[in-house]
Amino acid sequence: GIQVEQSPPDLILQEGANSTLRCNFSDSVNNLQWFHQNPWGQLINLFYIPSGTKQNGRLSATTVATERYSLLYISSSQTTDSGVYFCAVDSRDYKLSFGAGTTVTVRA
Amino acid sequence: KAGVTQTPRYLIKTRGQQVTLSCSPISGHRSVSWYQQTPGQGLQFLFEYFSETQRNKGNFPGRFSGRQFSNSRSEMNVSTLELGDSALYLCASSYDRNTEAFFGQGTRLTVV
Repeated sequence: GIQVEQSPPDLILQEGANSTLRCNFSDSVNNLQWFHQNPWGQLINLFYIPSGTKQNGRLSATTVATERYSLLYISSSQTTDSGVYFCAVDSRDYKLSFGAGTTVTVRA
Repeated sequence: KAGVTQTPRYLIKTRGQQVTLSCSPISGHRSVSWYQQTPGQGLQFLFEYFSETQRNKGNFPGRFSGRQFSNSRSEMNVSTLELGDSALYLCASSYDRNTEAFFGQGTRLTVV
């Protein structure tokens, strides 16, 4: 099946800093989503972005499908941005395959 | 618009018992998928249902089963529970394949 690799595994930021999370995938995809897992375990939708660029407030994402990667940008980070960020892709087997996640810690 | 609802939120079961988890998708969504999250294995796909039919299944033993009802609500069942089944079980709903998936709050199962 498709392989999804996220980097870095851990990221420690000072409040106000910017950061970039990366997701590489091993095959072409029909669907790519970024999620933020809250402390209670729920996956919160950030972006549905199989290709192109989207922005939502301080977050933006870019997927370059032809080169098989996606980037999630966090600008002016806040302590509430802390948590685990997951990239998930749906290839031709019609299920979401998740990366291992990036754990972000934002310090005040 | 109501989100994806999973019940119960927490469960504690004994080895050998069985358990049933429930998922109510977003209104109008006909696809429901289930995922297991553990610290060691991460998020893994269990199965997907669409219009009461299982369309895809992950690599889990036959103790894990599911079904979907005509109103798109889904249940998953785990029989003969093992300690390793302790996990967060997440349900996702979407309109169909290749559309945005939305997740419920999860059911945290502990097997003792």
